[in-house]
Amino acid sequence: DQQVKQNSPSLSVQEGRISILNCDYTNSMFDYFLWYKKYPAEGPTFLISISSIKDKNEDGRFTVFLNKSAKHLSLHIVPSQPGDSAVYFCAASENSGGSNYKLTFGKGTLLTVNP
Amino acid sequence: DTGVSQDPRHKITKRGQNVTFRCDPISEHNRLYWYRQTLGQGPEFLTYFQNEAQLEKSRLLSDRFSAERPKGSFSTLEIQRTEQGDSAMYLCASSRTAPSHNSPLHFGNGTRLTVT
Repeated sequence: DQQVKQNSPSLSVQEGRISILNCDYTNSMFDYFLWYKKYPAEGPTFLISISSIKDKNEDGRFTVFLNKSAKHLSLHIVPSQPGDSAVYFCAASENSGGSNYKLTFGKGTLLTVNP
Repeated sequence: DTGVSQDPRHKITKRGQNVTFRCDPISEHNRLYWYRQTLGQGPEFLTYFQNEAQLEKSRLLSDRFSAERPKGSFSTLEIQRTEQGDSAMYLCASSRTAPSHNSPLHFGNGTRLTVT
């Protein structure tokens, strides 16, 4: 039972354009969402997060949008750079439900930014 | 901040053997987590420590798996009688408090286990 779904295994964009990575979740108890980036042979690195009380959070070139009614979030990267090429994981947790220690991850989306 | 350190980076073992992995978290982080990642999947939660207390274990953690965190510093994950299905990347993470924007999980580079 995949509670966090990233339905696109891969995405390819041109340098300078926008990258949009999507994530859907099924557990309505999730109230905290994160994006991690992972390069080969390295552990995941925290990128950006959003609480369910917000619908948008921005950090430099990265913006995360949350649509609670649709149980959908997306990560926008503008402008995309070749160094952004990595696997991006969406993750979620139940921070107010007592399970704030546990992140549930999606399967990841491989982003390739072409020069 | 020297990051989360895991040792070894790679481990190849024969089925039936025991293996032990070590994780050194970021020094001021009192929370430590173990995750497992198999090919094509995202990391899956295994267990969680707050200081030296193991507060949660996933049902993925069979009785062949045991994790410890003596003195609330480094942690070890032992797998007894390894099976081929145990082949995976074992990731350790730590955080200062409960995961949040100001206290995200910091992951190590993992230990890749191959059981032949």
